[in-house]
Amino acid sequence: QVQLQESGPGLVKPSETLSLTCAVSGSSISTYYWTWVRQSPGKGLEWIGYIYMTGGTNYNPSLKSRVTISGDTSKNQFSLELSSVTAADTAVYYCARLAQRPMGERYFDNWGQGTLVTVSS
Amino acid sequence: SYELTQAPSVSVSPGQTASITCSGDNLGNKFSFWYQKKPGQSPVLVIYQDNKRPSGIPERFSGSNSGSTATLTISGTQAMDEADYYCQAWDSTTVVFGGGTKLTVL
Repeated sequence: QVQLQESGPGLVKPSETLSLTCAVSGSSISTYYWTWVRQSPGKGLEWIGYIYMTGGTNYNPSLKSRVTISGDTSKNQFSLELSSVTAADTAVYYCARLAQRPMGERYFDNWGQGTLVTVSS
Repeated sequence: SYELTQAPSVSVSPGQTASITCSGDNLGNKFSFWYQKKPGQSPVLVIYQDNKRPSGIPERFSGSNSGSTATLTISGTQAMDEADYYCQAWDSTTVVFGGGTKLTVL
């Protein structure tokens, strides 16, 4: 079955760059759309962005200036970088797969377990 | 930017029907999706394309979408259904989530 596993530092200092990786097994990242979603404490789900290896990336407009999502097909993993972080970026970060359907019909069909990243000095 | 609006909380008695709504401009012209989120767990898809249930999701979960409102209905609500529920839609190539509704079963 499809498994996604997030990894990366659990603590990041303000103004630095948050970096996370999602290792994928059971599915090739060369197909499907791969995404990042976060949930800040006490808040709702927030879509960060997605990557399609042969089609590029798309980001939440509210985060676009600080976000980069990239993929490594040789390792079957994709990554998130969020720059100039503040305490407001403290959240559980999830990687997820979007179902293979036409745009507008895609849904999140597989999720990682999530990883908590705290922004603090 | 496109927005989806959900009531912050809904309460229901066990065995009764819970209705959770999600409003957005002409939402009925888009597909709606619903996720269940419990503390410490990853979200789980419970409804896709307005009214379809993924395999493994109980029949008591159903959905509809018309006009500007999508609705998630849980019939015969059980204690295990207590969770946060999020609607989701697409605005062109952008994912939009609603703010979430906390369902309390009491």
